[in-house]
Amino acid sequence: DGGITQSPKYLFRKEGQNVTLSCEQNLNHDAMYWYRQDPGQGLRLIYYSQIVNDFQKGDIAEGYSVSREKKESFPLTVTSAQKNPTAFYLCATSRDNSYEQYFGPGTRLTVT
Amino acid sequence: AQSVSQHNHHVILSEAASLELGCNYSYGGTVNLFWYVQYPGQHLQLLLKYFSGDPLVKGIKGFEAEFIKSKFSFNLRKPSVQWSDTAEYFCAVPSPYYGNNRLAFGKGNQVVVIP
Repeated sequence: DGGITQSPKYLFRKEGQNVTLSCEQNLNHDAMYWYRQDPGQGLRLIYYSQIVNDFQKGDIAEGYSVSREKKESFPLTVTSAQKNPTAFYLCATSRDNSYEQYFGPGTRLTVT
Repeated sequence: AQSVSQHNHHVILSEAASLELGCNYSYGGTVNLFWYVQYPGQHLQLLLKYFSGDPLVKGIKGFEAEFIKSKFSFNLRKPSVQWSDTAEYFCAVPSPYYGNNRLAFGKGNQVVVIP
């Protein structure tokens, strides 16, 4: 069954702790993306990766880090430097040379 | 940078009413246009897309959208909504200044259909 999995669905952390959000895909798509969704703000791009071992900052990369060691996986780390980390995080993928993106179910992160 | 405008963030309407959501974008160099929908508790999913051809495109669940090149618009419509259309709707347009297949998303329209 092809798709994108994000785990966990809900995540709670204390302020000052780093936390890593998982994104795995078996669609064999080259590109992967991380977005942050806040009410009334739409989707804002954090990081994206076109190929393994390469990634670029999006519009709001400060306080986040990523890695792309495997085609299937694109984990996002929310560091303690992120001033307002509580949000809904969405992972997406796309085929090479295609703008159409496919989304995972999301992880809701709450930092207190 | 590409910007995508969606007005009237909150829309409340009764079943059987008609729905139209506006989408305007700033850069007209591409015709890859998308509407995504996020039903409560579900994944963000593609509602419809336009790449070329007939500017009136039809998507799932009776939705349609019209591409008007001269107006940089891609408005979403449904003639008669149902309670199950309650969702958040996002317009997305390629961000050519960045390349690499990036999309720019609008801020979304939260649509609530009252039975």
